[in-house]
Amino acid sequence: TQLLEQSPQFLSIQEGENLTVYCNSSSVFSSLQWYRQEPGEGPVLLVTVVTGGEVKKLKRLTFQFGDARKDSSLHITAAQPGDTGLYLCAGGDNAGNMLTFGGGTRLMVKP
Amino acid sequence: DSGVTQTPKHLITATGQRVTLRCSPRSGDLSVYWYQQSLDQGLQFLIQYYNGEERAKGNILERFSAQQFPDLHSELNLSSLELGDSALYFCASSVGVSPQETQYFGPGTRLLVL
Repeated sequence: TQLLEQSPQFLSIQEGENLTVYCNSSSVFSSLQWYRQEPGEGPVLLVTVVTGGEVKKLKRLTFQFGDARKDSSLHITAAQPGDTGLYLCAGGDNAGNMLTFGGGTRLMVKP
Repeated sequence: DSGVTQTPKHLITATGQRVTLRCSPRSGDLSVYWYQQSLDQGLQFLIQYYNGEERAKGNILERFSAQQFPDLHSELNLSSLELGDSALYFCASSVGVSPQETQYFGPGTRLLVL
C-alpha cells in the first residue's frame, strides 16, 4: 500500500507570509497532484506534476516534484486569506489504477 | 461549480440501515469515482467505473456496492450501516479511464449514522 504523509497538518499564518507544505512517501509515484478543498465543497485540482524534478508555478504557488518522484512540495508566496483551505496531495500509482491521497494540510491565513 | 452533481446533500440514518447516494458526472465524462472522506482516514478512494464497467477498486467494504448506469450516472449503495460509516462521500468524474487525468469533484454527500 502506497502512503503519502503531509506536513504540517495545520498551519496558521498572517497575510503576506510565505509557507511550504510537504508531501512525502517511501514509494515512487508516476504523478503527483495537488488539490485545494474549501469547507462544504469537493477538492479542486491545482496542478499535476509527472517528471522527477519538475517545477510548476501557478501565480503565487510553486509546486515541485522530487527527483526520485517520492515527494513533493507546495510553496505559497505572500499568502492571502483567499488561500485558506485544506491542501491535499495525491499520488498516482505506477499501475495507473488509483490516486492515493495524503492526510492534508489545513491552512488558515489571517488578515 | 464542477458540473458534477450529487444527491442528497445530507443524509441522517440509523445503524443497520441502507442508503443510496447518487452522482451525475459532467457531460461527456465517462469515468466516475467514489471517495470517502472522514476525519481520521482522510480522503480514500473506493471504486471507479468507466463507461458502465467497474474499472478499479480501492478500500471499499463488502457492505458497499456501486454501479454506473447506461446514462453514466452512478449510485453508491451502503448497507448494514455502522457508526463508523459517518463521513463525507464524494463522487468525481473525468473524461477518460486514467485516474491521473483531471478529476472533477462533486459537492459531496454528508452521511451521519446514528
